[in-house]
Amino acid sequence: GAGVSQSPSNKVTEKGKDVELRCDPISGHTALYWYRQSLGQGLEFLIYFQGNSAPDKSGLPSDRFSAERTGGSVSTLTIQRTQQEDSAVYLCASSVFGLVGETQYFGPGTRLLVL
Amino acid sequence: QQPVQSPQAVILREGEDAVINCSSSKALYSVHWYRQKHGEAPVFLMILLKGGEQKGHDKISASFNEKKQQSSLYLTASQLSYSGTYFCGTGPNSGNTPLVFGKGTRLSVIA
Repeated sequence: GAGVSQSPSNKVTEKGKDVELRCDPISGHTALYWYRQSLGQGLEFLIYFQGNSAPDKSGLPSDRFSAERTGGSVSTLTIQRTQQEDSAVYLCASSVFGLVGETQYFGPGTRLLVL
Repeated sequence: QQPVQSPQAVILREGEDAVINCSSSKALYSVHWYRQKHGEAPVFLMILLKGGEQKGHDKISASFNEKKQQSSLYLTASQLSYSGTYFCGTGPNSGNTPLVFGKGTRLSVIA
């Protein structure tokens, strides 16, 4: 595809429900990131996948958050028992490491609203 | 460790210049600059390596002072289209280590 795609673009859910957010990275990109961005705030790192290595989960805010990446491509971020403070834009980025380091390409994000 | 950006916000009139700084307490290998327009995803602007200086889009350039562990983004003769939030992302080494982003600098260019 031309770029990173994410689905759904918007998600409204009720407190306590589980949600799944999907990310399709750019073909051939070995690294994939999930970030969370609250209104007017910066990029909060959540999780990082690189090739076949164990993911870096150091940014996940609680055990209600999990993510997987199947076949080194598509990734799903799951939030269980959603809380109102989970409301934010969830951004996915993929990247490839080249001679000059890494360039991340961001998807359009999923706007999550927990009522 | 998250890099520190300054200023947090700046308002410019068209044609004015601005400098956005990004500092880290850790030794840096690379600094990446992104711009995010309101309601959109961040877009890559440029990457700088140790001691390097690179000119990017239009009249936007940046420098990287390895000794000071700092990078500065220069916006010259700003245009309305420059408005947005600028993020720096820092990488401690050349390996496969995720970038750490600063909190961003909100730039508003007015006519």
